[in-house]
Amino acid sequence: DTAVSQTPKYLVTQMGNDKSIKCEQNLGHDTMYWYKQDSKKFLKIMFSYNNKELIINETVPNRFSPKSPDKAHLNLHINSLELGDSAVYFCASSPGGGGEQYFGPGTRLTVT
Amino acid sequence: DAKTTQPPSMDCAEGRAANLPCNHSTISGNEYVYWYRQIHSQGPQYIIHGLKNNETNEMASLIITEDRKSSTLILPHATLRDTAVYYCIVRVALNRDDKIIFGKGTRLHILP
Repeated sequence: DTAVSQTPKYLVTQMGNDKSIKCEQNLGHDTMYWYKQDSKKFLKIMFSYNNKELIINETVPNRFSPKSPDKAHLNLHINSLELGDSAVYFCASSPGGGGEQYFGPGTRLTVT
Repeated sequence: DAKTTQPPSMDCAEGRAANLPCNHSTISGNEYVYWYRQIHSQGPQYIIHGLKNNETNEMASLIITEDRKSSTLILPHATLRDTAVYYCIVRVALNRDDKIIFGKGTRLHILP
């Protein structure tokens, strides 16, 4: 069974569209994260949620809105997509907000 | 900014031990050393972490100097599948407000 799963794996869309990426973890962890890895391969945290509560909110455009319906799911909705949003987005989870985090396989978003 | 310094790349012969160094001279007393790796096109993978004692698990060993200003990740018998970017990170272990800050890491090439 996949511990942290993301859908879709690939997402190609046009500028101005709205899209969502879904993440689910079956590890029983209470903290989930979204990271962005750009074309230069830098991996940066965007958000973290602990038991459905927003904990970390980095300097991310408000076009990005995370939603956590329960502690096993953390979805990322992106409005008015821009070319610069093209990247690989990784979801992760950890117990107790710790440094031992488990990452999903990533969603490669391409905005044309 | 990352609190660690790593060489940008290293080579290791298959079957030999790979020793990856990391400097973290400004580490605080309550910060742990974490190691992750990212194999091409996959999500980052947690490897090991430690505070001050040496640690070993099924994947690797972590050697932390007595002054905690540097550490070495050891892959005892490197295989081609160990080719990846390895990240050394320092952070407080169980602090949900603390972030994992990924630097540039070390690109490890395992040579056949």
